[in-house]
Amino acid sequence: NAGVTQTPKFQVLKTGQSMTLQCAQDMNHEYMSWYRQDPGMGLRLIHYSVGAGITDQGEVPNGYNVSRSTTEDFPLRLLSAAPSQTSVYFCASTPNRGYSYEQYFGPGTRLTVT
Amino acid sequence: AQSVTQLDSHVSVSEGTPVLLRCNYSSSYSPSLFWYVQHPNKGLQLLLKYTSAATLVKGINGFEAEFKKSETSFHLTKPSAHMSDAAEYFCVVTGGGSQGNLIFGKGTKLSVKP
Repeated sequence: NAGVTQTPKFQVLKTGQSMTLQCAQDMNHEYMSWYRQDPGMGLRLIHYSVGAGITDQGEVPNGYNVSRSTTEDFPLRLLSAAPSQTSVYFCASTPNRGYSYEQYFGPGTRLTVT
Repeated sequence: AQSVTQLDSHVSVSEGTPVLLRCNYSSSYSPSLFWYVQHPNKGLQLLLKYTSAATLVKGINGFEAEFKKSETSFHLTKPSAHMSDAAEYFCVVTGGGSQGNLIFGKGTKLSVKP
């Protein structure tokens, strides 16, 4: 198993550009989520999905869109990048909708918006 | 609502001395609690988890944590620090409901002096 994979590893955008951060998992996990990590803030939940076709907002959803057409993939879209979206983005998955199982994190995407 | 507070943003110890990273939580139900570690420019790795079984939880690399309901604490300890323990540590509580969302503390940076 590759686990949770994210692409790209690094990205630089100009303000107003759009892009999609890719996330995939090969563990057949129902639950997937996106977090952003900023210094001194820990990780904050952006969006999550409890299964294909079902998504919902987390703590900081503004400026981001998601979709879940398959169990394996959960892309995160920035429609019009802003400097405030400079951050490290982590995708995670867990095998169960409940909360007793650890979440498996991808290696992260470091995004800079100029 | 669930929340987690890491009481120290930075802890510095000498190699071979004990490590104590403090975490308090707030939860309206019996939570699951985790400690994750993040080495510089790396992803997150699960150290240990508490899911209402034994209150003393042993993790990887000699770390352990004790769940104390009366004190709403889940402090992380290690008897003897190693240089390779230098990293950022996150205390995490489950967000409740069926979503399995995680709520992260702001992190504690552990420095280990030779």
